[in-house]
Amino acid sequence: AQKVTQAQTEISVVEKEDVTLDCVYETRDTTYYLFWYKQPPSGELVFLIRRNSFDEQNEISGRYSWNFQKSTSSFNFTITASQVVDSAVYFCALNPPPQGGKLIFGQGTELSVKP
Amino acid sequence: KAGVTQTPRYLIKTRGQQVTLSCSPISGHRSVSWYQQTPGQGLQFLFEYFSETQRNKGNFPGRFSGRQFSNSRSEMNVSTLELGDSALYLCASSLVASGRVVEDGELFFGEGSRLTVL
Repeated sequence: AQKVTQAQTEISVVEKEDVTLDCVYETRDTTYYLFWYKQPPSGELVFLIRRNSFDEQNEISGRYSWNFQKSTSSFNFTITASQVVDSAVYFCALNPPPQGGKLIFGQGTELSVKP
Repeated sequence: KAGVTQTPRYLIKTRGQQVTLSCSPISGHRSVSWYQQTPGQGLQFLFEYFSETQRNKGNFPGRFSGRQFSNSRSEMNVSTLELGDSALYLCASSLVASGRVVEDGELFFGEGSRLTVL
């Protein structure tokens, strides 16, 4: 079965704190992609990152970083020095073969960053 | 460049009616996928179209259908609406179709059409 689990339903932090959003996935496929999206109150899903299952290098983009560990089927997302504008719902998703437009989403983690 | 455009943004229908939602993908994107988002079930894949052909389908009843036009614009239709169809319907476009793996396979979403069924 293919599944994505985001165990943290809600997280609340104070501005400038670092926060890590967990994502664990299940798949028997060897080739797949993993995504992270941000959903602000407006509803649009904002693309953050797409990672190939063969690329386990960690990635950093500004205050955002991602830790992909195939051995534990995890693709965690860390925001450093959080800001109020980071408040949103964050979704992790699995893109199984045959790739394309089908994503299997986790339930999302609602992040609240307070000033 | 312009993003994914969905219309209408909001609509209210009554049970038994039907509804048609429209999605215009990013210019050059030929793959369009549809998702339903509800508080209880989260984000669920409905179907994907590429070159006017349905390439992938989620687990939804036949009341949910879609199509894609030659200009890549897509519509989805829900017939005989039920209260449980109230949801945010999101459309995503990408360069990638099912079965093709390319480096720039990001999916870009529109702001969605919020449907309320009374």
